[in-house]
Amino acid sequence: QLQLQESGPGLVKPSETLSLTCTVSGGSISSSSYYWGWIRQPPGKGLEWIGSIYYSGSTYYNPSLKSRVTISVDTSKNQFSLKLSSVTAADTAVYYCARDPFDITIFGVVTRWGMDVWGQGTTVTVSS
Amino acid sequence: SFELTQPPSVSVSPGQTARITCSGDSLPKQYAYWYQQKAGQAPVLVIYKDTERPSGIPERFSGSSSGTIVTLTIRGVQAEDEADYYCQSGDRSNSYRDVFGGGTKLTVL
Repeated sequence: QLQLQESGPGLVKPSETLSLTCTVSGGSISSSSYYWGWIRQPPGKGLEWIGSIYYSGSTYYNPSLKSRVTISVDTSKNQFSLKLSSVTAADTAVYYCARDPFDITIFGVVTRWGMDVWGQGTTVTVSS
Repeated sequence: SFELTQPPSVSVSPGQTARITCSGDSLPKQYAYWYQQKAGQAPVLVIYKDTERPSGIPERFSGSSSGTIVTLTIRGVQAEDEADYYCQSGDRSNSYRDVFGGGTKLTVL
C-alpha cells in the first residue's frame, strides 16, 4: 500500500527558506503514471496547490508562488522535495504531499484521476 | 479566469440529500475532482473525472456536471459526512496548473 510522509522543520524564520521532503513508500516514484504534488492549507483556510513534479523532473508551479518555489525529485531515495524561499507569516500552513495519477493519449491529451494518496501533512510555522 | 467558486456552507438533516456546487469557466473543458476533509485529517478523494467514484467511497456520493457547474451530491446524509468539501480542477495539457475551490462546510443538523 502506497504511503507518503512529509518531513522537515516545523519552525522557519521570516525571510528564510522552507524545505520539506516527501518520502514515498510501498511504490516507486519513478512510475510514468504519476505526478507528485505539494498542497498547503493555512490555519482555518482552504487548500492551495503549490506545484507538481514528474519523475523526469518536469515541474509545474502555481503562478502566484512560482518566483519562490522549487520542487525537485530524487528517484534514488524515492523522495520529492519542496523549497519555498523568502517566507513570511502568510506561509504558515499545513503542507501536504500527494500522488496525482494520470494517463496520456498518443495525441498528448492528459487525463487525470484525482489526487488519490495524501500524506498526513506537516505543520510549518513561520515566526522569529 | 482560472477560479472555482463554492458556497461556504451547506446544512442538511440526517437522511436528506446534500448538494454542493462548484462553478468555474474552465469546467466545460477540464474534469473536476472532489475531496472530503474531516477535522484534523488529510483530504480524501471522493469523486474524480466529474462523476466517477473511487473504490471504497460509499454509493451515496455522486457527481454531476453541467456547463460551468459541477455538483457533488450526497444522498442519505449521515453524521459522519460532516466535513469540508473541496472541488479541484486543473490542466496538464496546456497551462499546467491546478486550482481548488474555497471549500464548503457541510453541517449535519
